[in-house]
Amino acid sequence: NAGVMQNPRHLVRRRGQEARLRCSPMKGHSHVYWYRQLPEEGLKFMVYLQKENIIDESGMPKERFSAEFPKEGPSILRIQQVVRGDSAAYFCASSPTSGTSGEQYFGPGTRLTVT
Amino acid sequence: AQSVTQPDIHITVSEGASLELRCNYSYGATPYLFWYVQSPGQGLQLLLKYFSGDTLVQGIKGFEAEFKRSQSSFNLRKPSVHWSDAAEYFCAVGLNQAGTALIFGKGTTLSVSS
Repeated sequence: NAGVMQNPRHLVRRRGQEARLRCSPMKGHSHVYWYRQLPEEGLKFMVYLQKENIIDESGMPKERFSAEFPKEGPSILRIQQVVRGDSAAYFCASSPTSGTSGEQYFGPGTRLTVT
Repeated sequence: AQSVTQPDIHITVSEGASLELRCNYSYGATPYLFWYVQSPGQGLQLLLKYFSGDTLVQGIKGFEAEFKRSQSSFNLRKPSVHWSDAAEYFCAVGLNQAGTALIFGKGTTLSVSS
C-alpha cells in the first residue's frame, strides 16, 4: 500500500512565478491536509480538503495561495507570484475516510526554493 | 489558545544513554497526542500516539511516551539511544476526529555522540 505521495520533491522558482505542488493521498483516504514548515519551525496547518470541497482554510494566506482536491487526480496547492518568504517545505497528509481517527499520515514533502 | 511547547531546541545524547524529550500542551478538549520523527530531507514518521487508556504508550523503534494530564505533558523516552535515532522530533496535538488540524511544537533536534 503506497503511502502519501508528493511531487515534485524539490521545486525552484524565481520570484513572480507560479508554484504547483501535488499530493496523492493514501489509498482509501479522502481527507487531505496541507502544512507548511518554515526553517527551524514546526509544521503549521494551512488547509483541509475533502474531494471537491475545501473544509477549513483558516491557515491559508489570504492572497496568492489556493488549494483544490478534484474528483479525479491529486490535490494541488498553488502559489501564485511566489516571493522569497514562500521558501519552505510543504507537507501533505491524509487520513482515513471513515471512523473518527485523528491520525494523519504524511508525505515526504515538497521543498520550495524561491530565488 | 491551543499550543504545543517543546522546551529543548537541541539535545545531544551519548549512544547507549537514555533519552527524554519534553512536550507540554495547551488544548481545550481531550487531546489526541502524537510524536513524529523527521530525518533530514524526509517526511514525518509517526512514532506513537495517545488518546485514552493506559497513560504509558509504546511506539516504534523502542520509543515510549507517558501522558500526564496534571502536568499537561507527553514526554518521549527511550532507554538506550542508537546513532540512527539522530533526527528532529515533533510533538503534536489534535482531536480524535478526522478533519482536525494538528498543532505541532517547534521540534527538538537530537544529536547522538559516539
